[in-house]
Amino acid sequence: DSGVTQTPKHLITATGQRVTLRCSPRSGDLSVYWYQQSLDQGLQFLIQYYNGEERAKGNILERFSAQQFPDLHSELNLSSLELGDSALYFCASSVGEGEFFGPGTRLTVL
Amino acid sequence: GESVGLHLPTLSVQEGDNSIINCAYSNSASDYFIWYKQESGKGPQFIIDIRSNTDKRQGQRVTVLLNKTVKHLSLQIAATQPGDSAVYFCAETWTGGSYIPTFGRGTSLIVHP
Repeated sequence: DSGVTQTPKHLITATGQRVTLRCSPRSGDLSVYWYQQSLDQGLQFLIQYYNGEERAKGNILERFSAQQFPDLHSELNLSSLELGDSALYFCASSVGEGEFFGPGTRLTVL
Repeated sequence: GESVGLHLPTLSVQEGDNSIINCAYSNSASDYFIWYKQESGKGPQFIIDIRSNTDKRQGQRVTVLLNKTVKHLSLQIAATQPGDSAVYFCAETWTGGSYIPTFGRGTSLIVHP
């Protein structure tokens, strides 16, 4: 158990819909990272927040957005969902380098 | 139509053997590298990291070697155990700017008892 929690574990929705994935980092970790893992693209970095502020941006679509709240939990919002958005979405947290990953949310878009 | 899954290289070893997993990275400016282990149904787990100012780092039963000349990393696992069965992948990043890691596709390690 990494200490990072993610909800929900599974999410099934339809194309065009919007979903919110939630992540609670390890106690004391200020950085939160979001990743997408799909069969064809592998693991891809989406975005990083540090203490509430966006720190780095990777391959995140404009339809996706994230935020980190004052209590350091983070949410990843995915909108106008497409079939290709079906993937595992991981959150990770760290206090330095080398992150601790959560168990992931499996998103299925039908 | 039928979907095609990601075909990962596979390394099959016997319990007790030493395993070597390789990774070629792409960016010559990368100066920080991490190996992760991902078991089925779980998130990636940090194993060991290495900075570009050294070419070898050892952990518990694991050693990472870095060859910057050919942009190659390897992860050596000593006395491989069935519990080591997982997908292993490397990540590279440059610490001089924003932390944006790039991940390799991974290698599936299968350890036979």
